[in-house]
Amino acid sequence: KNEVEQSPQNLTAQEGEFITINCSYSVGISALHWLQQHPGGGIVSLFMLSSGKKKHGRLIATINIQEKHSSLHITASHPRDSAVYICAVRYGNEKLTFGTGTRLTIIP
Amino acid sequence: DTGVSQDPRHKITKRGQNVTFRCDPISEHNRLYWYRQTLGQGPEFLTYFQNEAQLEKSRLLSDRFSAERPKGSFSTLEIQRTEQGDSAMYLCASSLGGGENTIYFGEGSWLTVV
Repeated sequence: KNEVEQSPQNLTAQEGEFITINCSYSVGISALHWLQQHPGGGIVSLFMLSSGKKKHGRLIATINIQEKHSSLHITASHPRDSAVYICAVRYGNEKLTFGTGTRLTIIP
Repeated sequence: DTGVSQDPRHKITKRGQNVTFRCDPISEHNRLYWYRQTLGQGPEFLTYFQNEAQLEKSRLLSDRFSAERPKGSFSTLEIQRTEQGDSAMYLCASSLGGGENTIYFGEGSWLTVV
């Protein structure tokens, strides 16, 4: 059983919509990463969180340590945001445990 | 470009053959990680190095798999006697230290075993 759960698995939205992707994990973590993966494989790190909230452009990531939950938000979504978004957590040791990803498609 | 680079990007091999993938991390990054990703799944941890020392290996890394980082810079991942189940993308990542440091990923090496 994957220790990191993401929802939804697939999300299709119209351009301009506000997007939310959720991530839940099972035990205390030292850090949580949000990653973006485009077709072909390349992964880009969007955020690394251990508490609170971070914002970069149209992307916002929040984490609630007590509830063991994180969300990634995209404001004013655009077709170029179409990708797989992956949540990954670090449980104190060095390796990351990944969720299965959320496939986001933004329709013009 | 000084990101994480992997070679080859794609490899098709016959079952039973050996394959080797190379990863060049970002210069001065002391941590190097290998992950494996199959279609529709998130990456799974295989192993990681701090400098030249291999500090952790996943149970996924059977005795047919070996990884090295001989001089603490580039790393190789070798798969011996490949099986069809080895078909996946092998991702390399590096970071400057662990903890809350950003991890940088390579483009991945796709392996198809026929």
